[in-house]
Amino acid sequence: QVQVVQSGAEVKKPGASVKVSCQASGYTFTSYAMHWVRQAPGQGLEWMGWINADNGNTKYSQKFQGRVTITRDTSASTAYMELSSLRFEDTAVYYCARWGKSNGYYYMDVWGKGTAVTVSS
Amino acid sequence: EVVLTQSPGTLSLSPGERATLSCRASQSVSSTYLTWYQQKPGQAPRLLIYGASNRATGIPDRFSGSGSGTDFTLTISRLEPEDFALYYCQQYGGSPPITFGQGTRLDIK
Repeated sequence: QVQVVQSGAEVKKPGASVKVSCQASGYTFTSYAMHWVRQAPGQGLEWMGWINADNGNTKYSQKFQGRVTITRDTSASTAYMELSSLRFEDTAVYYCARWGKSNGYYYMDVWGKGTAVTVSS
Repeated sequence: EVVLTQSPGTLSLSPGERATLSCRASQSVSSTYLTWYQQKPGQAPRLLIYGASNRATGIPDRFSGSGSGTDFTLTISRLEPEDFALYYCQQYGGSPPITFGQGTRLDIK
C-alpha cells in the first residue's frame, strides 16, 4: 500500500545536526512532491519546506532558511530533511507528507508516523 | 504570509451533537487549496477535507467543509466518540506556500 516510513528517534546536542529520512513505497516516488512539517510538544503544525521529488527543486520556510536542507535519492525512493545548528526549541516530532494531487487539488495525503528529535545537553 | 486563525481554540461537545469549526484567513485563499486535517494524540495528521469541501477517501459523510474567500468551516453533523481530536486547517499559495491554523481541540463534554 502507499506509505512513507520515517527513520527512528534521535537525540542530539545543541549545535549539532540531524538528518531524518522518509522512504516511500507503493507509488512512483518521482511523481509527487514531499513536504516536511514539524510539531513541537503541545504545539501546532509548522511547515518547514518541500522538495519536488522529480527534479529536486526545493522551497523552504523563511524561518528555517539557511538551517534546513531537503534532498532526495530517487534510486532509494527516499527524501531527507537535515536541520543544522540545533537549538533546544527544535525539539519536536518531524513529519514527512506526500503532496497528493487530483483534478487540480493539492493536499498532504500520506503522512509518515513522525520522527521525534530531542535536543538536549 | 497568509495567517489562518481557527476558532474556537477548544470546543467541548457531547457525542451526537453538531460541531462547527471555523478557519479564517488574513487574506483571500483559493478554496481549491484549503484543506482540513484531523490529528489524534500520538498520531500523524490525517487528511479529512480538500478543496474546502471534498471529503478524502474513507472519510464519513458526517464530515463536511464549506466556505470561500477568507472564511471556511468544518462541520461534523453528529459527533461520534472517535471524532474527539485536534483539527487543523491549511492553505496552499502565496509565500510561504503552506501555512496551518493553530488548531481547534474538540473535547468530550
